[in-house]
Amino acid sequence: DGGITQSPKYLFRKEGQNVTLSCEQNLNHDAMYWYRQDPGQGLRLIYYSQIVNDFQKGDIAEGYSVSREKKESFPLTVTSAQKNPTAFYLCASSTGRGTEAFFGQGTRLTVV
Amino acid sequence: KQEVTQIPAALSVPEGENLVLNCSFTDSAIYNLQWFRQDPGKGLTSLLLIQSSQREQTSGRLNASLDKSSGRSTLYIAASQPGDSATYLCAVRTDNNNDMRFGAGTRLTVKP
Repeated sequence: DGGITQSPKYLFRKEGQNVTLSCEQNLNHDAMYWYRQDPGQGLRLIYYSQIVNDFQKGDIAEGYSVSREKKESFPLTVTSAQKNPTAFYLCASSTGRGTEAFFGQGTRLTVV
Repeated sequence: KQEVTQIPAALSVPEGENLVLNCSFTDSAIYNLQWFRQDPGKGLTSLLLIQSSQREQTSGRLNASLDKSSGRSTLYIAASQPGDSATYLCAVRTDNNNDMRFGAGTRLTVKP
């Protein structure tokens, strides 16, 4: 089936650790996005990538890093510099600017 | 910077009622607007995409309208059902960027 797969579904991070969230799509989409969702708030953009080997910071990029070495994959690393990482993280993709965006099922990250 | 607002934040209706959800945005130079549904703890499911040149889109019991000049979109749900209970989010894509700006959502409860 075509779609976007995020893994893991739940992730626990200890203080001072870096963790990486996986996002894979088999829709042949060029653009991919990472959003953070906190209770009662809208989605906030962390990073987005329009093509392979290129990505741009969103509104809340501090403490996060990404790579886009393959069209299908856009992993997000939450570094120890992110002081409040507990949130629901959503990955999305689309073919281009004017087209419909599709989302994965999300990863819930908790600091323990 | 584009700001997206959704009112009301929460809505509770009896089954069978027709209802309207509202989305407003501050910058009318949009490329498109997309409505999503989100169930608790899940990712976003795309409902309707309206391009900036369109006035409305329909899918089943859902109808979304767009008035770009006034910075408003509405999502009309006909003959609501308990299965429609979810959070509904709108997202706007601007002309200058490929990122999507989200409202905080309207949490809909349809009571049997």
